[in-house]
Amino acid sequence: GENVEQHPSTLSVQEGDSAVIKCTYSDSASNYFPWYKQELGKRPQLIIDIRSNVGEKKDQRIAVTLNKTAKHFSLHITETQPEDSAVYFCAASIGDSGYALNFGKGTSLLVTP
Amino acid sequence: GAVVSQHPSRVICKSGTSVKIECRSLDFQATTMFWYRQFPKKSLMLMATSNEGSKATYEQGVEKDKFLINHASLTLSTLTVTSAHPEDSSFYICSARDPGLASYNEQFFGPGTRLTVL
Repeated sequence: GENVEQHPSTLSVQEGDSAVIKCTYSDSASNYFPWYKQELGKRPQLIIDIRSNVGEKKDQRIAVTLNKTAKHFSLHITETQPEDSAVYFCAASIGDSGYALNFGKGTSLLVTP
Repeated sequence: GAVVSQHPSRVICKSGTSVKIECRSLDFQATTMFWYRQFPKKSLMLMATSNEGSKATYEQGVEKDKFLINHASLTLSTLTVTSAHPEDSSFYICSARDPGLASYNEQFFGPGTRLTVL
């Protein structure tokens, strides 16, 4: 079936540095790409999303870029803080309904003071 | 934001028994809910899409007779793991869409249910 690849699986950065997580997808019909943050023992929470008609979206320290031609999208976190430490999942919609999602395997981000 | 609850949060059962997990949207009506399975330090694997008033849509490789899904109302979907075996032990998490939101694609997740089959 269609899948989503996510890299890296683990990422360690120093506080204040930037963090970048990349994902690729295979379903050309996908049109919705959310990013979720999951802290230990907690439920995933949406942090930012992007639709296929947009190439970039930014919300304070978080930005997402999308290249539909290459079928890849990336999460950028600037000025990282220790509380950014968590597992981040990218996802792509299954088909163009925009509803059901295929998730990447996750990136464990550690921000050290 | 929209709130989704799950019950129970944790269940331990004997092999061969059936376990029912409930997923509720507390402050919105969810025409569509999703059931995921999450292994330790792994991703969320979509099991099925639960549609209110109609049959669930199962992903490839997921046995529909093993994982029964019922979405009888706009605020409740249930997942029943039938004749559970130790390999069914996992973290099951549901999510729901609020079609009334401008961000109608966004899925709100429940807190999850830890199932342990002895």
